[in-house]
Amino acid sequence: AQSVTQLDSHVSVSEGTPVLLRCNYSSSYSPSLFWYVQHPNKGLQLLLKYTSAATLVKGINGFEAEFKKSETSFHLTKPSAHMSDAAEYFCVVSDPPGAAGNKLTFGGGTRVLVKP
Amino acid sequence: DADVTQTPRNRITKTGKRIMLECSQTKGHDRMYWYRQDPGLGLRLIYYSFDVKDINKGEISDGYSVSRQAQAKFSLSLESAIPNQTALYFCATSRVSRNEQFFGPGTRLTVL
Repeated sequence: AQSVTQLDSHVSVSEGTPVLLRCNYSSSYSPSLFWYVQHPNKGLQLLLKYTSAATLVKGINGFEAEFKKSETSFHLTKPSAHMSDAAEYFCVVSDPPGAAGNKLTFGGGTRVLVKP
Repeated sequence: DADVTQTPRNRITKTGKRIMLECSQTKGHDRMYWYRQDPGLGLRLIYYSFDVKDINKGEISDGYSVSRQAQAKFSLSLESAIPNQTALYFCATSRVSRNEQFFGPGTRLTVL
């Protein structure tokens, strides 16, 4: 069984300051991990993914995440927040590619507020 | 651009009514999924389909049914809607060999 815990339901940052969104996972497999972003009234967009290559993964819009197996974590960071980063972010764990189901397990989400 | 579309985008209905939500994709992906999103719970899988002849229940399939009419079309039905089915519903697609999924814009359903 897989599970994902996002440690903060809400994060508030000032524009230009760093953003840290925390995620811990549990998986029986060697996991694939994703971060998705959902802007208001929009669908989910893939930010980045980890699939057992480099442990530091770079995504779109300046985001990156580091896979730490010993800590079962996959935290998302950005050095400098922009107003357009205000959204909800989901950490997701997946069955391995091609596995039966290809199912995603979502964390509860972290809503990011960016203050001017 | 290859895309995932959902219709309708918003729907308000009454308890007991039958509702169908539709999903179409032009990505050429074989796998399609239906999720619902509730505040604080992330997205939860309702049904998924590997191809036209393959339908599987997800973690919360009770009260829902699906139909895969073609590779590109996957519809979700609520046979008799109830208020706790009020939620945001997403359709998604993926390739067989890849586990990342591509999401539609969502359908906001309200059951009164």
